[in-house]
Amino acid sequence: NAGVTQTPKFRILKIGQSMTLQCTQDMNHNYMYWYRQDPGMGLKLIYYSVGAGITDKGEVPNGYNVSRSTTEDFPLRLELAAPSQTSVYFCASSYPTSGGIQETQYFGPGTRLLVL
Amino acid sequence: GEDVEQSLFLSVREGDSSVINCTYTDSSSTYLYWYKQEPGAGLQLLTYIFSNMDMKQDQRLTVLLNKKDKHLSLRIADTQTGDSAIYFCAETRGYSTLTFGKGTMLLVSP
Repeated sequence: NAGVTQTPKFRILKIGQSMTLQCTQDMNHNYMYWYRQDPGMGLKLIYYSVGAGITDKGEVPNGYNVSRSTTEDFPLRLELAAPSQTSVYFCASSYPTSGGIQETQYFGPGTRLLVL
Repeated sequence: GEDVEQSLFLSVREGDSSVINCTYTDSSSTYLYWYKQEPGAGLQLLTYIFSNMDMKQDQRLTVLLNKKDKHLSLRIADTQTGDSAIYFCAETRGYSTLTFGKGTMLLVSP
């Protein structure tokens, strides 16, 4: 298993440009997540999905969009990039226990985004 | 302030024990986690503890949970230079999401 993969690893955007961060997992996990990590900070949840066709906002969703058409893929879209979106973006996935509570999140290696 | 709080920095000598502390606020949290992040890498799950447990031991790692005080700690025995990293405490919120602390940078000197 490759686990959680993210592309690209690094990207520089100009203000106002758009891009899609790709995330794929091959563990058949129902739950997938997007986080951003700013320097010296913990992770902030942007969006998450509990299954194909279902997405929900996290703590910091403004300026982002997501879709979940398949179990494996959970792309994150930036429509009008702003300097405040300069960050490291992590995708994660998990599988709920029989009680419905997600137990462990597996993280991808991250995408480093610089908006100038 | 942050819902999950950690001290930002800890420095120890190789061979000593390290103790990283965390306080959280959501008394309904079901799982509490410790993640490790090495430079330029993603987060790696180290260990987790279910909220009805007081202690969990996994090789060199010992997790202690005090639910009354909402305090979680991670003890690393015989700390090695390879343990140098940022350690994040996280708690579950609802069924699906985690809330992370800002992370504790552990520096192990020879």
